Amino acid sequence: GIQVEQSPPDLILQEGANSTLRCNFSDSVNNLQWFHQNPWGQLINLFYIPSGTKQNGRLSATTVATERYSLLYISSSQTTDSGVYFCAPAYSGAGSYQLTFGKGTKLSVIP
Amino acid sequence: GAVVSQHPSWVICKSGTSVKIECRSLDFQATTMFWYRQFPKQSLMLMATSNEGSKATYEQGVEKDKFLINHASLTLSTLTVTSAHPEDSSFYICSALWYFGAGTRLSVL
Repeated sequence: GIQVEQSPPDLILQEGANSTLRCNFSDSVNNLQWFHQNPWGQLINLFYIPSGTKQNGRLSATTVATERYSLLYISSSQTTDSGVYFCAPAYSGAGSYQLTFGKGTKLSVIP
Repeated sequence: GAVVSQHPSWVICKSGTSVKIECRSLDFQATTMFWYRQFPKQSLMLMATSNEGSKATYEQGVEKDKFLINHASLTLSTLTVTSAHPEDSSFYICSALWYFGAGTRLSVL
């Protein structure tokens, strides 16, 4: 199966700082998602990004599918950004959509 | 609003009892749903793929008789943890397409 590596595993930021999270994956995929898991366990989809760059407020993501990596940028971090960020490449086909999760990056934003 | 509904969100049960977790797709039909398990401070691990009208596909190492999956309709999949033991305590999450349920936290005493 697909191998997914996320870095760094842990990250501590001062409020207002910027950060970049990286996701490397081993095989070709036709999709990729970034999730934020809040302290209650709910997974919140941030981006659905098979390739290219997308932005949503202070967050943006870039996937370079040919080089098998994706980046998540967080600018002007806030304490509410704390949590675990998961990258999940997906291979979809024949009515199925199966995600493989990385181990996540635990982000702690301190005031 | 949530497009995948998962219930219950939290359950505490005695060792030896069975617990059923429901996963419903609210605005769409899902021929395939996925069940994940997450231990504290770890990633989500795929347990099984639930297929409407046929048997579920289990990942290696997942006990089929322990974790019974039923996908009787295009909007409902259930996961039953049979004869639960403390080591089954975990966070269980279902998904359909790219939508996820809110998860079920199971504590077995």
